[in-house]
Order: sequence, then structure tokens, then C-alpha cells
Amino acid sequence: GEDVEQSLFLSVREGDSSVINCTYTDSSSTYLYWYKQEPGAGLQLLTYIFSNMDMKQDQRLTVLLNKKDKHLSLRIADTQTGDSAIYFCAESIGTGANNLFFGTGTRLTVIP
Amino acid sequence: EPEVTQTPSHQVTQMGQEVILRCVPISNHLYFYWYRQILGQKVEFLVSFYNNEISEKSEIFDDQFSVERPDGSNFTLKIRSTKLEDSAMYFCATGGQYEQYFGPGTRLTVT
Repeated sequence: GEDVEQSLFLSVREGDSSVINCTYTDSSSTYLYWYKQEPGAGLQLLTYIFSNMDMKQDQRLTVLLNKKDKHLSLRIADTQTGDSAIYFCAESIGTGANNLFFGTGTRLTVIP
Repeated sequence: EPEVTQTPSHQVTQMGQEVILRCVPISNHLYFYWYRQILGQKVEFLVSFYNNEISEKSEIFDDQFSVERPDGSNFTLKIRSTKLEDSAMYFCATGGQYEQYFGPGTRLTVT
């Protein structure tokens, strides 16, 4: 079955890079996603990557995928206080409607 | 930028009552989903809906739950007889084949 794991907490200093890690178990995952949740808000789609890709970059965000190790990471360059939030990794098996299976979320705290 | 909206933002109900949670999808989206997040737990998939029918549903989505798109715009989740353990944040999501965009959620509290 699908199991997505993340570490619960990460603290970084403003201006440093943040790396949030995620592991998943289902080798048939076709799409992998990163969502951001700020307090009291919904889930904001940050980026997603197809499983046949190794890397995707979008402005300050870099996603790395190691399919062999079933490891996904999200790097945020030049982390700002506004990046403080919970970051969720999610996978989809991708058959028809893409039901998402979420990790526990990593709470990122940016220290000014 | 278009957004998914949900109403109400907070619903308090007594055990055994019926509730209907509403979602207005982004207009050109074809896939619709409901997820829930019990406090302190993972976001869990409930049901997906495409072409006016359920595509997939999880074990959580039992006979007490139903979904419909009554007027071609709103997408609703009905819980027929709420239980204490239904207390959670319920998120609607809509999208194309790959992306899913989430609404702000409805916090359901069953007393």
C-alpha cells in the first residue's frame, strides 16, 4: 500500500537553503507533489514532478527525485520568513483520477 | 487567479445529524475530490468524481457519505448521520488530469 513519510520539523535561518525530504513506498507512483499549508489556510500546490524526471526547478524551488531509493526532496533557496509553513509531500498512482496520498507534513520554521 | 471555494468555513453539528459541505470548483476543471484531515493526522483521500460519477473511493467513504454535482457547478459532500469521529477538516480539490487545487477547507465539529 501507499506510505509517504516525512520528518516533522525543520528550522533554518533566513537566507539559508531549506531541504525538505520525503520517502514513499509505492513504486508505481507516477506523479509526486509538494503542497504548502499556511496557518488556517488550505493546501497550496507548489510544484509536481513526473516519475520519469529527476529534477524540476521553478524559481526558488528545486525538486529532486531519486526513483531507485523512492526519495523526493524540495529545496527552497534563500528561505524567507514567509516560507514558514507546513510542507506536504504527496504521491499519486495516476490511474485516471489522481487520488493523492499525503505524508505527515514537515513544519518549516524560518528564523529571522 | 481562480480559486476553489468552500462553504461553510466551520460547521458544528450534533451526532446523528446530516451535514452538507459545499465546494465551488474552478470553472474548467473536470476532476473533483474530497479529502479530510483529522486533527494531527495525515490528509486522507475520500472520493474522486469525474464525468458525473464516482471514479474511486477510499474505505472511509462508506454508505454514510455521498457526493453529487447537483447543478453543474457546486460539488457537495453529504454525511447522512454524523459520528464524533467525523470531526475533521474537509478539503475539496479540483483539477485537470495532473494538478489538484485545494479549497480552504470546512472544519466540521460533531458534538
